[in-house]
Amino acid sequence: EAGVAQSPRYKIIEKRQSVAFWCNPISGHATLYWYQQILGQGPKLLIQFQNNGVVDDSQLPKDRFSAERLKGVDSTLKIQPAKLEDSAVYLCASSFGLTWGEQFFGPGTRLTVL
Amino acid sequence: KNEVEQSPQNLTAQEGEFITINCSYSVGISALHWLQQHPGGGIVSLFMLSSGKKKHGRLIATINIQEKHSSLHITASHPRDSAVYICAVEGNTDKLIFGTGTRLQVFP
Repeated sequence: EAGVAQSPRYKIIEKRQSVAFWCNPISGHATLYWYQQILGQGPKLLIQFQNNGVVDDSQLPKDRFSAERLKGVDSTLKIQPAKLEDSAVYLCASSFGLTWGEQFFGPGTRLTVL
Repeated sequence: KNEVEQSPQNLTAQEGEFITINCSYSVGISALHWLQQHPGGGIVSLFMLSSGKKKHGRLIATINIQEKHSSLHITASHPRDSAVYICAVEGNTDKLIFGTGTRLQVFP
């Protein structure tokens, strides 16, 4: 069974530039999560999708971050414009269930904002 | 105070040692996860448990719901076990609440 795919794996941009990350969850998984993990900290949930609807985006900085999950499969996370403090690993995860259950994580995208 | 606390924050061990990582939480939970994160960011789910004990190879996870405490044990540790181990709990909102992780280094 293929795992959660993310791209790119690494990205370096200058502040005020835009960036987009892509995630392809495990086939059949209804729930998709985007996490931000700053160095030395645990992951922080940015947004949770259930199929193509948003379940929780309470910690998403909506002035600069946006995410979508068209057709309830792939998802993209965008930052526009980026700030220095956005430097982090962005993790995508998916789970089969709509409530609780084991989450499968992708390899992450390491973003460096200069 | 964080809702999920892990100890120790950093741990070094010699190959072959028995390792214990602890996790305490302060919220009601439906499940607790132990995750392993290698350098480079990828996270692997090791265990999901809501009661008792689970074993997989050299890894053992236990949880005490009454005491709101879980432990992850590694028997006969190996340098390839070097990673960050993260405890995460599923609270009543179905959101995962993460600990800050325990960085383990096992030396040959």
